Amino acid sequence: DTGVSQNPRHKITKRGQNVTFRCDPISEHNRLYWYRQTLGQGPEFLTYFQNEAQLEKSRLLSDRFSAERPKGSFSTLEIQRTEQGDSAMYLCASSLITSTETQYFGPGTRLLVL
Amino acid sequence: AQSVTQLGSHVSVSEGALVLLRCNYSSSVPPYLFWYVQYPNQGLQLLLKYTTGATLVKGINGFEAEFKKSETSFHLTKPSAHMSDAAEYFCAVSRSRDTGRRALTFGSGTRLQVQP
Repeated sequence: DTGVSQNPRHKITKRGQNVTFRCDPISEHNRLYWYRQTLGQGPEFLTYFQNEAQLEKSRLLSDRFSAERPKGSFSTLEIQRTEQGDSAMYLCASSLITSTETQYFGPGTRLLVL
Repeated sequence: AQSVTQLGSHVSVSEGALVLLRCNYSSSVPPYLFWYVQYPNQGLQLLLKYTTGATLVKGINGFEAEFKKSETSFHLTKPSAHMSDAAEYFCAVSRSRDTGRRALTFGSGTRLQVQP
């Protein structure tokens, strides 16, 4: 069990550029969640996958955001035409479907849009 | 709908003093409750969780929390603070009733400072 990993850890981009983040969950975890955390706030739910199916998207996830989990393992989160308001920490968590599901978080990807 | 309120965005204690971080929740279904800790520039680490059963839950690093349904609270305590406890603490709630989406709803966090 190597934990949840996220890459890159930091990303600086210019407004209007596209960025992609990757999350590798704990192996055999069938649920994967994306959250966004802005300075001074708690994480907010963006979307989640059960295996390869994206089952829910938050209203926070605008049309510029897209997430995939093509083989039910790693996931990517892409932001198109980035805006300064997208600057945040993007957190990934994974879990095993059980009656008392617990989510384990990765270290996050910090995005700064200039 | 679910929500979490953490009273006090900053708490400062002396080393060796009692730590008390407050969390109140609202939930339309019986909740699962969590405390996570976040160190600077890191992800969230699970401290403890309440699902069912005993309402006093013990976690890592000497922390514990008590689920009080009548007060809709899940306050986090530690008898004696260490310098290494300085971090941001988040209380979170999720649904318990079914195996549907278990996305966490977080409070805004409490930054704990420990003075020598």
